Amino acid sequence: QKEVEQDPGPLSVPEGAIVSLNCTYSNSVFQYFMWYRQYSRKGPELLMYTYSSGNKEDGRFTAQVDKSSKYISLFIRDSQPSDSATYLCAISGGSYIPTFGRGTSLIVHP
Amino acid sequence: DSGVTQTPKHLITATGQRVTLRCSPRSGDLSVYWYQQSLDQGLQFLIQYYNGEERAKGNILERFSAQQFPDLHSELNLSSLELGDSALYFCASSLGERGTGELFFGEGSRLTVL
Repeated sequence: QKEVEQDPGPLSVPEGAIVSLNCTYSNSVFQYFMWYRQYSRKGPELLMYTYSSGNKEDGRFTAQVDKSSKYISLFIRDSQPSDSATYLCAISGGSYIPTFGRGTSLIVHP
Repeated sequence: DSGVTQTPKHLITATGQRVTLRCSPRSGDLSVYWYQQSLDQGLQFLIQYYNGEERAKGNILERFSAQQFPDLHSELNLSSLELGDSALYFCASSLGERGTGELFFGEGSRLTVL
């Protein structure tokens, strides 16, 4: 079992939809949780970061962490075609080196 | 623009050859990380340097080596290349030796081994 599991998709939604992206992890030592966005032919860029269970909101994006279930989510409200990208969850713990999920490809069509 | 610069952007070479990928971190960042991204494996951590010294090793093959120079730029050397080494190689940087995992990535070097 990989340390971080993420469905690769693709996930295709109409513009304006609410998108839910998810990851599960196996090691309870993980304490920092991140979401990166990667556009085609670009490097990943940090989108959201949190270190505790609960929700963190930033504009249309909400990151949710459930440490008891080892489950993290990213919600995108009012999705736009410009949100089309690959979303990678990343988790770090004692080594502080982030372990990445394989990424979920999101397509938002007009 | 993340502030991390990688060269070359694209590289095509043959099996058995050796290549060097170069990375300049964001101004002020002391840590450099190298990652390999392929379709089947995702983003895999290779190695981290902090202020010129190796700090952590991941799934880096013995044919691969890296170093960080006094001006903080880093190079990843890949030798005896195989077809399976074809991938995107990313450099990332962060301020400290042990952060929280917030990294700033370059745009990557796409290596094709024929």
